[in-house]
Amino acid sequence: AQSVTQPDIHITVSEGASLELRCNYSYGATPYLFWYVQSPGQGLQLLLKYFSGDTLVQGIKGFEAEFKRSQSSFNLRKPSVHWSDAAEYFCAVGPMDSSYKLIFGSGTRLLVRP
Amino acid sequence: EPEVTQTPSHQVTQMGQEVILRCVPISNHLYFYWYRQILGQKVEFLVSFYNNEISEKSEIFDDQFSVERPDGSNFTLKIRSTKLEDSAMYFCASSEIIVGRPLHFGNGTRLTVT
Repeated sequence: AQSVTQPDIHITVSEGASLELRCNYSYGATPYLFWYVQSPGQGLQLLLKYFSGDTLVQGIKGFEAEFKRSQSSFNLRKPSVHWSDAAEYFCAVGPMDSSYKLIFGSGTRLLVRP
Repeated sequence: EPEVTQTPSHQVTQMGQEVILRCVPISNHLYFYWYRQILGQKVEFLVSFYNNEISEKSEIFDDQFSVERPDGSNFTLKIRSTKLEDSAMYFCASSEIIVGRPLHFGNGTRLTVT
């Protein structure tokens, strides 16, 4: 079955510390991979995406993610977290066509300590 | 940067009433989508729409739901007779026709059925 797992429901980091949010997926074919961020009361903003090519992708706000096919993972990283990064982060996978029937993970809520 | 806009931001309705959620996709986009997120749960795909017809729908999207593009700019989701379990955040999204282009989400409409 197709699924996305984000094993960490909550993560708390200190401002300035590094961050890694985990995402594992199960998908029958090669998927498109995405990370979205949702701030309170806001919609889903695309941080970055992986379609093909270089497995390390750069996104907005200093985020990056690495696709590891052997581990079926697409972990999100940031070297130095800012207080404004506090939000909920969603990993998603989808088919390589325009149906964009994305499957989302359950999300990881990031809290940032001053 | 162009945005997907959704109105209203919050709608309260009584069980059994009809509701229409409205969305204005990005102007040059041709694929349109609705997703929903029940509080505390995953974001779920509802339906995709292209060329004035549904291209794919999930099992959630039953006969109580319908979508329409009544003019050149709006994209609506209608729930004919709302149930308590329809309470959720509903996200509209759009994408360009070119495969591989990202999905752009609106800020959502929070529907509360009482």
